[in-house]
Amino acid sequence: GQNIDQPTEMTATEGAIVQINCTYQTSGFNGLFWYQQHAGEAPTFLSYNVLDGLEEKGRFSSFLSRSKGYSYLLLKELQMKDSASYLCAVRGPSGYNKLIFGAGTRLAVHP
Amino acid sequence: AAGVIQSPRHLIKEKRETATLKCYPIPRHDTVYWYQQGPGQDPQFLISFYEKMQSDKGSIPDRFSAQQFSDYHSELNMSSLELGDSALYFCASSLGRQGIEQYFGPGTRLTVT
Repeated sequence: GQNIDQPTEMTATEGAIVQINCTYQTSGFNGLFWYQQHAGEAPTFLSYNVLDGLEEKGRFSSFLSRSKGYSYLLLKELQMKDSASYLCAVRGPSGYNKLIFGAGTRLAVHP
Repeated sequence: AAGVIQSPRHLIKEKRETATLKCYPIPRHDTVYWYQQGPGQDPQFLISFYEKMQSDKGSIPDRFSAQQFSDYHSELNMSSLELGDSALYFCASSLGRQGIEQYFGPGTRLTVT
């Protein structure tokens, strides 16, 4: 079976740091992705991890531990525009790149 | 830079009607994916094509069919529409079967009444 878990909602303050966790159990693993999605809009790519460790990209960082089936997305220096849903997705076990998405974490950034 | 184009952006249909959604991938991208996202739900993979051949199949109903044409654009054909088909339909494209990043189009919002 395939299961991807992440918190439903989080709130944070402008300028702060927030960590969004994702745990996954899939029958195969070929990379983990984080996408940002504003309501009614298309998901936009944030990061990709296939090896253990931390990938840093500006204000966003993503971490992966394959042995623990765990990833997190770290957002620094939060801005109001970061209020969005953050989707954790695992590349499908059968190859060909299909993404299996988690339910998403709705982040609200307050002044 | 050119992005994924989807048309129409909005579509309203009645139950039992048919609908055709179109997707134009980023130039030179040869792989197209279709996802369905219901209200408050995560995107669910429907089907994908690589080099005009179906490459993977997800939770696509038998009432739906899709294909990729020689210019790499793709169409999702939906028949006998049901109320539950109301959703955002995203198309994404990537370069090659192992292309890491899938670029999503703006989506087609389908409303079935």
